[in-house]
Amino acid sequence: QSVLTQPPSASGTPGQRVTISCSGSSSNIGRDIVNWYQQLPGTAPKLLIYSNNQRPSGVPDRFSGSKSGTSASLAISGLQSEDEADYYCAAWDGSLNGWVFGGGTKLTVL
Amino acid sequence: QVQLQQSGPGLVKPSQTLSLTCAISGDSVSSNSAAWNWIRQSPSRGLEWLGRTYYRSKWYNDYAVSMKSRIAINPDTSKNQFSLQLNSVTPEDTAVYYCVRLVGGMADNWGQGTLVTVSS
Repeated sequence: QSVLTQPPSASGTPGQRVTISCSGSSSNIGRDIVNWYQQLPGTAPKLLIYSNNQRPSGVPDRFSGSKSGTSASLAISGLQSEDEADYYCAAWDGSLNGWVFGGGTKLTVL
Repeated sequence: QVQLQQSGPGLVKPSQTLSLTCAISGDSVSSNSAAWNWIRQSPSRGLEWLGRTYYRSKWYNDYAVSMKSRIAINPDTSKNQFSLQLNSVTPEDTAVYYCVRLVGGMADNWGQGTLVTVSS
């Protein structure tokens, strides 16, 4: 019942490109920026993409983000085993006047 | 280098008040560009934003609608920290609680997380 909708799981083999979608509405993704977070087991989420498509320093350029209308996507190219983690999208919701998150996507590297 | 250090009990009895503190180093709770947030995470509810406090010539607070009647987030400028108080807790409030700094719309610094269990 998260406000933003993500697929619960995704998978790929090393070297492949995978994408993770995030669907929202006109009150959140449609009006504001989207951020993406990576969470490794037992750790706090880490900022991966901000302002729809910007990478913080230290994040490899294999990670990229995009937004169109009320949806956003995270793409990971050249998949590596260390990319196995949970990924979350987030945006400010103007109707709820608060941050909202996706339910998370568990990425498995086969 | 901004660091957020959380403290507080890991076990709270039902109907009592959950209290956590987040000590800030490398930034100021009175910063005009940052907002200081509490977010929690549980298997059943995922990541859930609880609220924030921030200073823009005066202090502001925003709270999640679902929490509004029983939450308070307060800054402590003398200790450069901020706190969370959640009243009348139930087992559904069992979660890992994070304090988080937001700057420019991005949560770039997270505390280490505190697992709070609500149980008698």
